[in-house]
Parts: sequence; C-alpha cells; structure tokens
Amino acid sequence: KNEVEQSPQNLTAQEGEFITINCSYSVGISALHWLQQHPGGGIVSLFMLSSGKKKHGRLIATINIQEKHSSLHITASHPRDSAVYICAVRFSPFTGNQFYFGTGTSLTVIP
Amino acid sequence: DSGVTQTPKHLITATGQRVTLRCSPRSGDLSVYWYQQSLDQGLQFLIQYYNGEERAKGNILERFSAQQFPDLHSELNLSSLELGDSALYFCASSVGTTAKLETQYFGPGTRLLVL
Repeated sequence: KNEVEQSPQNLTAQEGEFITINCSYSVGISALHWLQQHPGGGIVSLFMLSSGKKKHGRLIATINIQEKHSSLHITASHPRDSAVYICAVRFSPFTGNQFYFGTGTSLTVIP
Repeated sequence: DSGVTQTPKHLITATGQRVTLRCSPRSGDLSVYWYQQSLDQGLQFLIQYYNGEERAKGNILERFSAQQFPDLHSELNLSSLELGDSALYFCASSVGTTAKLETQYFGPGTRLLVL
C-alpha cells in the first residue's frame, strides 16, 4: 500500500515563528504537491516539485528524492497562514495524473 | 479563483437518493479529476477523465459514476446514497499532459450531506 505520512498532525505557533511541516512517502514518486486548505474548505496549490527546492514569498518547499521526504517551511509566520497543509504525491504520470494525499497538518498561528 | 467551477455548493439529501455534481474545468484544461474528502478518510482520488475518456480510477464505489462531456465539463453521479457518502467533493482540472510538474487547479467543492 502506498502511504503518505505527514507530521506533525497539529501545530500551534506564535506569530513570527519559523514553521516546518514534513511529508514522507513509501515508494518512488514522480511529483509532490503541497496544498493549502483554508477553514472554509477551499484548496489552493502552493508548490509542485520533483526535485530540489522552490520558494514563493515566505514559503519554501524542499524535496529529497533519495530519502523520500519533503518539507514545507513558512518563515515569519502570520495568523493568515492558519490552515491545513496537505502533501500529495503522484507515483507515475503514465498511469494517470492522480495524487495520493497525506492526512494534513493543521496549523494555527497565534498573534 | 482557480477558474474551476462546481455546482451546487451545498447539497442535502436523504439516504437512497441519487445526486449529480457538476464541474466545469479551467478554460483549455482537458483533464478533470474528482476527489472525495471525508472526515475519516481524508482526501481520496476517485476518477480522472481526459478529453472525454476515463484515464484513471481510484477508490470510486460502484454506486458512483462520472463522465466528461464534449464541452469538457464533467458530472459525478452518486446513487443509492448512504450516510457515509457525506463529504466534500472536489473537482480539479489540469492541461492534461503527462508532464511531471503539471499543476492541478481545484474547484471550491460541493458539500454533500446525506441524512
């Protein structure tokens, strides 16, 4: 069974703190997607990567293919970053483009 | 706004009934994906269509079916509904290549409540 695990499940931080969310998967993948789900339910794509590192504003995503691990970092966290962050992996683009999801990390940033 | 639209936003129905959820992909996107998000299972992939044809199937129940029409909109049909089918149903779309980093864009979801 292909598994995607995220840690921690819940995270509370003070505004301004540096935050790290981790994602591990069990077999080789072709791509990894970080998603943000707001309290209202809407899902927004943050990053999609297959190697190395990507940065957008205060968000940084890294992936280590050999270790089957990815991290999402938030620098200078803000209350508006409060959301559920979901890691999703795609195993092969040639058997369809579908993703398999982690259970999510619920982040609360306190002012 | 992702450009993906879903209707209806909310749906309340009874066990045993049948409902249809509709999704319009972003302009130019050929692939449509359906996902179910329930409290106990999290997000799960149901099915993918590419340019009108089924491309991949995930954990979709036999009571559920989907199709993609020539104008590329898609419908997800849920029949003989059970309490456990209550969930958020998301549609996503993408251009439809096999490119490694092809992003999917998610619609706002349809919240289904089966009573």
